Amino acid sequence: QKEVEQDPGPLSVPEGAIVSLNCTYSNSAFQYFMWYRQYSRKGPELLMYTYSSGNKEDGRFTAQVDKSSKYISLFIRDSQPSDSATYLCAPGGDYKLSFGAGTTVTVRA
Amino acid sequence: GAGVSQSPSNKVTEKGKDVELRCDPISGHTALYWYRQRLGQGLEFLIYFQGNSAPDKSGLPSDRFSAERTGESVSTLTIQRTQQEDSAVYLCASSLASAGELFFGEGSRLTVL
Repeated sequence: QKEVEQDPGPLSVPEGAIVSLNCTYSNSAFQYFMWYRQYSRKGPELLMYTYSSGNKEDGRFTAQVDKSSKYISLFIRDSQPSDSATYLCAPGGDYKLSFGAGTTVTVRA
Repeated sequence: GAGVSQSPSNKVTEKGKDVELRCDPISGHTALYWYRQRLGQGLEFLIYFQGNSAPDKSGLPSDRFSAERTGESVSTLTIQRTQQEDSAVYLCASSLASAGELFFGEGSRLTVL
């Protein structure tokens, strides 16, 4: 069993739609949770970072963590074509992040 | 530059040859990571350096892989006797502290023929 499971998609949505991305993880030692965004042929860049269970909002993005069920989500509201990218969940413990396979999202204008 | 710099950006090599990939982290970042990204897959941890501490090499897939870092500066990842399954993008990241944000380079895309 992989340490982090993420549906690879791909996901295609119309502009303005809500995008919902999810991951599950198996390691209860994970203490912090990140979402990275990766554009084609670029390195990943940090999008959201949270330590605790609950919701964290940043503009059109909301990260949600449920440690009891080992479930993490990212929501994108009012999606834009510029949001078209691969989104990687990355829970971590100590100094090491474990990455999901990434979900590729295309937002159609 | 201000970001993590990796070279070469693309490398095509023949099976059995050795390759060396270079990473120049952000100045002042004590932590440095190497990850491998195969097509359609997530990032696979390879190795972690933190200052002058012994590196965490637990992710290196075989003894053909090795990495070095001098102090808090440049790191090199060496793959000996390359195999076709080594074809991937090798990503380097640096961080100001452990458990902090990772800043990634654009990667070195390796193709082994």
